[in-house]
Amino acid sequence: DGGITQSPKYLFRKEGQNVTLSCEQNLNHDAMYWYRQDPGQGLRLIYYSQIVNDFQKGDIAEGYSVSREKKESFPLTVTSAQKNPTAFYLCASSPRTGPFTRGTQYFGPGTRLTVL
Amino acid sequence: AQTVTQSQPEMSVQEAETVTLSCTYDTSESDYYLFWYKQPPSRQMILVIRQEAYKQQNATENRFSVNFQKAAKSFSLKISDSQLGDAAMYFCAYRSARETSGSRLTFGEGTQLTVNP
Repeated sequence: DGGITQSPKYLFRKEGQNVTLSCEQNLNHDAMYWYRQDPGQGLRLIYYSQIVNDFQKGDIAEGYSVSREKKESFPLTVTSAQKNPTAFYLCASSPRTGPFTRGTQYFGPGTRLTVL
Repeated sequence: AQTVTQSQPEMSVQEAETVTLSCTYDTSESDYYLFWYKQPPSRQMILVIRQEAYKQQNATENRFSVNFQKAAKSFSLKISDSQLGDAAMYFCAYRSARETSGSRLTFGEGTQLTVNP
């Protein structure tokens, strides 16, 4: 089936550790995105990538890093520099062409990160 | 910068009735896209409906329709014949049509919809 997968579903991190969240898509979408959602709030953009080997910072990139070595993969690393990483993380992808889908973002199921 | 405002943090509706969720946005651009996403308790974001600003016709998807008022910068979502499965957080989102924007979405704060049996 075509779609976006994120793993793990739940992740626990100790203070001072780096952790990596996985995001994979088989939709052949060019663009991919990472969002953070805190309880009772909307989504905030962390990083996005429009093409392989290129990515840009979003609104809250500090303490996070990404890579885009393959079109289908866009992993997010939460570093120890991120002071308050406990949140729900959503990955999305978007096609660049298509009359009915261009620019529309489709989301994965999310990863819940908790710092112990 | 674009902003999206959802002025109703919570709404409720009786099953089978109709409810309208409000959304306003601020932009200086003329070409853009607007979206409504639904986030049920599973927390996955599900696309409900999409509107292109240059199209005057309001988008519809089964029981979901929008009232797009470009001059007023308003984009409300109407849910007809509400069902228990419609209970969720609903987010309004804006996206510029400019390629240099990176297709990034700007979200509102959300409206929590409760459907009463």
